[in-house]
Parts: sequence; C-alpha cells; structure tokens
Amino acid sequence: DAKTTQPPSMDCAEGRAANLPCNHSTISGNEYVYWYRQIHSQGPQYIIHGLKNNETNEMASLIITEDRKSSTLILPHATLRDTAVYYCIVRPGGNTGKLIFGQGTTLQVKP
Amino acid sequence: NAGVMQNPRHLVRRRGQEARLRCSPMKGHSHVYWYRQLPEEGLKFMVYLQKENIIDESGMPKERFSAEFPKEGPSILRIQQVVRGDSAAYFCASSPTGQGSEAFFGQGTRLTVV
Repeated sequence: DAKTTQPPSMDCAEGRAANLPCNHSTISGNEYVYWYRQIHSQGPQYIIHGLKNNETNEMASLIITEDRKSSTLILPHATLRDTAVYYCIVRPGGNTGKLIFGQGTTLQVKP
Repeated sequence: NAGVMQNPRHLVRRRGQEARLRCSPMKGHSHVYWYRQLPEEGLKFMVYLQKENIIDESGMPKERFSAEFPKEGPSILRIQQVVRGDSAAYFCASSPTGQGSEAFFGQGTRLTVV
C-alpha cells in the first residue's frame, strides 16, 4: 500500500504556480520522497526527489517540512501541458528500489 | 543517451497465446522494474530485476507470468496463455542504482487480448 496521501484532484490557472501537497506521516529516516507524473497514458515521468532538504530543478521545486511528514511540489508557472496525474511516492528503504504508486492528484491546468 | 526502450508499443494476442514484452534499459542502468496499469487503474509494481537476478517479484501473479534480465540483451516480461484480464499497459523502468536514485520509465507496451 502507498504510504502517502494526496488530494484526488486540483485545478490551476495557466501561468500560475501549482502547489501539490502530499502527506507522508510514517516516513522513516532513510526514505526519500519522489514525485512523478503521468500525462494521459504515457509512461510516468520523473520530476524530482529529495530526502530532507528542499530541492529545485528545471521542472519543479520540492519543499519538505522539517519533520519530513509532508511535502509540496511546486510547478512555478503551470502550462496546459502540465495537466497530468501527479504521484508522490515514498521509496522504501533497503535495496528493493521499487516505487509504490498511489492514486495521485489529477492536476487540471485551465486557460 | 536513449531513454528506456520498450517494444512492441502495441501487441495484440488471442486468448491462450503467449506475449513477450521487451525492455532495454538506459545505458549504464543495471536495475529494471516492471509495472502494470489496468484500464482506469493505477500503476502496480510487478517485479524488480538486476542483471541475471530477480530481486523482488512480490507483485507478479503466481501463474503464467515470468520475467528475466539476462547478462546480455533486454529484459523480457513473458505472459503465457494470455486471458482478457491481462489486457493492460505494461511499463518498464530502469535506474543506475537501487536506492536513492531516480527511475526512468519507458512509453509502455499496450497489450490487448482478443
């Protein structure tokens, strides 16, 4: 079972920042927070990941709370092409490496 | 550097036939994962392999499904005696190390059983 909780859907106006929340209250010390998205029925696309520090790349920013029990993915200037299902995943420790996908948040970017 | 390559992109099989799905990981990646996405459902982990080893097959159905990742060549997901319920999108992902690194996905193989 997924170890994260996300709102099922969100809307965002084109050009505005999209802030997608995720709760992972049972995260353990060696587990990373990963974000992926799936546009329509394409393969999931990696966005960003982090352990405890905030992270930023060309696609998004990841803000992780100090207690690591929740995080927020920020798309700074959402476009229509960012409409997708966004998955927040806590990757299990050990050497298994697998990603357990929950239901994600369907983000609808509107003109 | 080419991404994760899956083929075929679309596969149609009659009930009872075998389906073979291929996945070539990104260059330098030695970890491969297979996922299945049934229509209107989420992605479900199936199996995690390293070269010549199955690391975690906790998501694989007990019968008819098998996976391999040989020393040379692509990873293969094999489904014997397919049934209509096997119709789904099958995605492969690869990563350079098992933990703390991102996994990159292919575009999937859409299997239709008729």
